[in-house]
Amino acid sequence: AQSVAQPEDQVNVAEGNPLTVKCTYSVSGNPYLFWYVQYPNRGLQFLLKYITGDNLVKGSYGFEAEFNKSQTSFHLKKPSALVSDSALYFCAVRGEPGNTPLVFGKGTRLSVIA
Amino acid sequence: GAGVSQSPRYKVAKRGQDVALRCDPISGHVSLFWYQQALGQGPEFLTYFQNEAQLDKSGLPSDRFFAERPEGSVSTLKIQRTQQEDSAVYLCASSSRTGFSYEQYFGPGTRLTVT
Repeated sequence: AQSVAQPEDQVNVAEGNPLTVKCTYSVSGNPYLFWYVQYPNRGLQFLLKYITGDNLVKGSYGFEAEFNKSQTSFHLKKPSALVSDSALYFCAVRGEPGNTPLVFGKGTRLSVIA
Repeated sequence: GAGVSQSPRYKVAKRGQDVALRCDPISGHVSLFWYQQALGQGPEFLTYFQNEAQLDKSGLPSDRFFAERPEGSVSTLKIQRTQQEDSAVYLCASSSRTGFSYEQYFGPGTRLTVT
């Protein structure tokens, strides 16, 4: 069965500092990994995805994520946090075969403090 | 362009009532997904349409839940005889590609409260 874990419910970081939001996963076969962000009263917005290729994936709004197969992790990172990055972040995964739905983590609330 | 829209945004139902939730996907998107998001949780998959065909309904929690997309565009999620445990935000998403491997565009959700 597929599963994804976001071990931190809340991450606090000062504006301008680097941020990391953690995600680990368990799937059959090769993983397809996604990060989404949710702002209040709005739907989830796609940030980035990993399917194959380079382990470092760059996405929207300056975010990037590093795929680590040995640690089964896909942590979201940004070199310099902005107050406007404060939101709820979801990691999602699907494995193989290709007709398996996405499984989302519980989410991590990021607060960037000015 | 216009994104995914959902209506109503908020719905309060008495236990036992039937409700219908509407999703208007991005024009031309072939794939449409429904998710249920309980408070403090991530979205959980309910069902998937490719055009008008419902290819996966493995996430529907009971036979009280029914979804349709008769013309391959607008979709309706219907819940019969609502129960308190049905209280959640129901999210709709669409994609220009088929299957689960591509980015999905989400609507703002319908918050259902069953009293």
